[in-house]
Amino acid sequence: EVQLVESGGGLVQPGGSLRLSCAPSGFTFRNYWMTWVRQALGKGLEWVANIKQDGSEKYYVDSVRGRFTISRDNAKNSLYLHMNSLRAEDTAVYYCARGYYHYDTWGQGTLVIVSS
Amino acid sequence: DIQLTQSPSSVSASVGDRVTITCRASQVITSWLAWYQQKPGKAPKLLIYSVFNLQSGVPSRFSGSGSGTDFTLTISSLQPEDFATYYCQQANSFLSFGGGTKVDIK
Repeated sequence: EVQLVESGGGLVQPGGSLRLSCAPSGFTFRNYWMTWVRQALGKGLEWVANIKQDGSEKYYVDSVRGRFTISRDNAKNSLYLHMNSLRAEDTAVYYCARGYYHYDTWGQGTLVIVSS
Repeated sequence: DIQLTQSPSSVSASVGDRVTITCRASQVITSWLAWYQQKPGKAPKLLIYSVFNLQSGVPSRFSGSGSGTDFTLTISSLQPEDFATYYCQQANSFLSFGGGTKVDIK
């Protein structure tokens, strides 16, 4: 079964850091672009960042560029989102998803709350 | 950046109704337009990709159409499990989602 499982969410103070992880299974991870999408509670979906199969290309939404870093370790079958200088407006459920042009597999999401 | 505007933002419908949701782009989109369904507390689910291609396992009552800046998701006969929020998404220029359309019970 193709699956993605996120972890690493939690409560963090403004200005703090957090690292999210995404563990894929059931498919050849190194063959796919991977993406992070977030959703503030009760709000719509927002694309955050994506990364090419070999990690050579990375793209970010303007609101996180310079603060968040997407990375992957194909040998460890893992996708990451390093989040620094967190703000209240980063509070959301963060999903990892498979694909570039569209996302055919999603994780269950991990909740990040930025609050003092 | 391309902005996607969905209409309506919400619609009340009955089982068996035909429901049409529109997604209008601020610039021309060639073919990278997808539709997702999301139920409360769950991850989005891909329904349609590349404007009109039905994702494997998705019922045929869902269909997508459109070109240029105007795209449509149609549910031909609404079923109880279709009450959800629907999002369009483009990948023509960076990536972005529409604001969502909530389909609820009349």
